[in-house]
Amino acid sequence: KAGVTQTPRYLIKTRGQQVTLSCSPISGHRSVSWYQQTPGQGLQFLFEYFSETQRNKGNFPGRFSGRQFSNSRSEMNVSTLELGDSALYLCASSLEGTGSGELFFGEGSRLTVL
Amino acid sequence: AQSVTQLDSQVPVFEEAPVELRCNYSSSVSVYLFWYVQYPNQGLQLLLKYLSGSTLVKSINGFEAEFNKSQTSFHLRKPSVHISDTAEYFCAVRTAGNTPLVFGKGTRLSVIA
Repeated sequence: KAGVTQTPRYLIKTRGQQVTLSCSPISGHRSVSWYQQTPGQGLQFLFEYFSETQRNKGNFPGRFSGRQFSNSRSEMNVSTLELGDSALYLCASSLEGTGSGELFFGEGSRLTVL
Repeated sequence: AQSVTQLDSQVPVFEEAPVELRCNYSSSVSVYLFWYVQYPNQGLQLLLKYLSGSTLVKSINGFEAEFNKSQTSFHLRKPSVHISDTAEYFCAVRTAGNTPLVFGKGTRLSVIA
């Protein structure tokens, strides 16, 4: 069974640009969550999608957005990039995304903003 | 809202020595507790989890954690560590329902030969 796949793995952007990251969940998983990981803040929750609907949202500015498609694949977009957006962006999928459900993580997309 | 505190950001330990990584959570309702491990340049992998029942849970590679409701803790222990255990360990908490998994800031375990 294929795991969670994130693309691209590495990317470099400059301030003011925008970026789109992609996540393909494990087959059959309907929930996709996104996290931002930085050395100082650890993992911070961005948002969660379930059956194409945003179900939870973290405390990030509106520059961060996402969506989920009918095949459960998800994308997140960051507009007007800032230096502080440099981070590892992790996607995780789960069957239902609730309570006791285990999250399965991809290897992440490492974004560097210059 | 729930939160997780990992009391140590870095823990160096000699090979074959015991280790304890501390985790405390705050929540006013019943919780599910998880430990994840992240090896260099990889995503997170589930190490073990407490959902209900026995308060002591174990992983296949020798780690164990005990849920202590009165102290709101879920410390991770291993009696004898190996070089291969060098990684970052994250404690996480979640409540029932459609709530996100909340992580601590992580503890970097460095095993010294």
